[in-house]
Amino acid sequence: QSALTQPASVSGSPGQSITISCTGTSSDVGSYNYVSWYQQHPGKAPKLMIYDVSNRPSGVSNRFSGSKSGNTASLTISGLQAEDEADYYCSSYTSSSTLVFGGGTKLTVL
Amino acid sequence: QVQLVESGGGLVKPGGSLRLSCAASGFTFSDYYMSWIRQAPGKGLEWISYISNSGSTIYYADSVKGRFTISRDNAKNSLYLQMNSLRAEDTAVYYCARDRGSGGYSYWGQGTLVTVSS
Repeated sequence: QSALTQPASVSGSPGQSITISCTGTSSDVGSYNYVSWYQQHPGKAPKLMIYDVSNRPSGVSNRFSGSKSGNTASLTISGLQAEDEADYYCSSYTSSSTLVFGGGTKLTVL
Repeated sequence: QVQLVESGGGLVKPGGSLRLSCAASGFTFSDYYMSWIRQAPGKGLEWISYISNSGSTIYYADSVKGRFTISRDNAKNSLYLQMNSLRAEDTAVYYCARDRGSGGYSYWGQGTLVTVSS
């Protein structure tokens, strides 16, 4: 199972919006609404930010939103804040009943 | 509150074995699928395995199939990962995580470091 494809890095200024893409195949992202997004700060465990493509867990800011079109899912962060600087990972359920993560995207807040 | 605490990591030689444990508390452990996920130093997340709440359904990533075994003891609120035939590329922080369903991991442990080196 190949990893989902994410850009290695994205950046934005405080207050701006950024979008991180996550491209898979018809065997994972394209076939299931089971895409999740995680935020990871250095030395910390990942934190679930979005599940089932576009749902936010309780306590996660509504500045974070998710969507999907075809084989590509996206995470949008609006009103960028300094604390949003972190690594972001997408994941998807697959047709093999396994899970696959993306390679990760480093978000820099300028 | 939900807590997941991994243990059992350490330094092991190539070809060796190690058993990781994950102690769960703050929720009804037997209600949830559980998974192991690892992260090599400076690298991304890699899903390893999941086990259903009853233990009857188990899946593995190809990279560990045949070498690693996931199990659980619902009476002890514990998740395990038996790792055999360890390789240098298995060096990573290993996390246990609670699955909210379909791979959305809402709770993670702090991780335990496994280093495979001679």
